Amino acid sequence: DGGITQSPKYLFRKEGQNVTLSCEQNLNHDAMYWYRQDPGQGLRLIYYSQIVNDFQKGDIAEGYSVSREKKESFPLTVTSAQKNPTAFYLCASSTLAGVPISNEQFFGPGTRLTVL
Amino acid sequence: AQSVTQLDSHVSVSEGTPVLLRCNYSSSYSPSLFWYVQHPNKGLQLLLKYTSAATLVKGINGFEAEFKKSETSFHLTKPSAHMSDAAEYFCVVTMNRDDKIIFGKGTRLHILP
Repeated sequence: DGGITQSPKYLFRKEGQNVTLSCEQNLNHDAMYWYRQDPGQGLRLIYYSQIVNDFQKGDIAEGYSVSREKKESFPLTVTSAQKNPTAFYLCASSTLAGVPISNEQFFGPGTRLTVL
Repeated sequence: AQSVTQLDSHVSVSEGTPVLLRCNYSSSYSPSLFWYVQHPNKGLQLLLKYTSAATLVKGINGFEAEFKKSETSFHLTKPSAHMSDAAEYFCVVTMNRDDKIIFGKGTRLHILP
């Protein structure tokens, strides 16, 4: 089946520790995105990547880092510098082909991170 | 600059009655518009999208939305609500692949028995 997988579904971390969230897609999509979701705030963009070995900061990149070494993988690291990391994290991907560009995004099931 | 406003944070309707979730946008150029649905602790699923074709867009699960340029609106409707429609709904706007994708803050739909 084609789709996006995120792991783990639930993640607990002690304060001061870095943690990496996995995101893999087999849709052959060029673009991948990381969002953070907090109650009542919708989705906020952390980082996005439109091509391998390149990525851009989103609206709330501070305290996070990413890599894009392979087209199908876009892991997110939540560092100890992120002051309030407890949230639901969503990964998405989209194709950059088509006229007009529709930017329809396909989402993974999410990872809920809790800092203890 | 692009923006999107979902006018209601919560909407409650009785099962079997119509659903209306409101979305207004602002965009300098012709936008692409989307509605996504999110069930608790799940990812988002695309309901429907508008990309400059027909202004009345039909989506999955009986939902539809009408693009009204004069009103800068893209409201989501369904003739008859079902209990399984209880979820959070997001309106999204984007202009082209180089621009950011802007999410509304979401509308939580409650279905009353």
